[in-house]
Amino acid sequence: GESVGLHLPTLSVQEGDNSIINCAYSNSASDYFIWYKQESGKGPQFIIDIRSNMDKRQGQRVTVLLNKTVKHLSLQIAATQPGDSAVYFCAENMSSGGSNYKLTFGKGTLLTVNP
Amino acid sequence: GAVVSQHPSRVICKSGTSVKIECRSLDFQATTMFWYRQFPKQSLMLMATSNEGSKATYEQGVEKDKFLINHASLTLSTLTVTSAHPEDSSFYICSAQKGTSGRSSYEQYFGPGTRLTVT
Repeated sequence: GESVGLHLPTLSVQEGDNSIINCAYSNSASDYFIWYKQESGKGPQFIIDIRSNMDKRQGQRVTVLLNKTVKHLSLQIAATQPGDSAVYFCAENMSSGGSNYKLTFGKGTLLTVNP
Repeated sequence: GAVVSQHPSRVICKSGTSVKIECRSLDFQATTMFWYRQFPKQSLMLMATSNEGSKATYEQGVEKDKFLINHASLTLSTLTVTSAHPEDSSFYICSAQKGTSGRSSYEQYFGPGTRLTVT
């Protein structure tokens, strides 16, 4: 079936290093992708998004790359800080009929930043 | 801003009882709200889409008679877990969609979640 998955369930980095979190998706019809950060016991927090007509988008310390050829999405975090420690989810936005959309979340990657 | 609140943040109930969780969009109106469930160390799974003034749309495998959703106003949706059982213990998260057209129809703003424990 259609799904969004992640290559790496856990990632441990040193403070100051760059982090790369990967995501594979299988629905070629998805036209919008979002990365969320979720801290323990809290709801998801929007980080960055990208439309399917783009291959790169940059934010503050974060960059999302989209490779539609291989259906791959990545989140790059520059100069990773201890406060970046959390679970990161990719999500794809799919039409659920008419003008309605719904999000399908990937499995999540736990990022641990060591001081 | 786009702030979404949930109440309660934590609830413990006895098996067989019902629990109501509220989701409110505090500074915007939301025609559409979503309810997710998240088990420990797992991803968010969409349970249902709640549209103001109409019946909710449930995902496959979600019992509509067990998880009652009411979206009575543009700022409030409620999820009632009826006859709760220990296996219903989970983290329930709602989100609200800010717009109804264009780019804003994609944007979901998430609440802080409600931890339900059924004993």
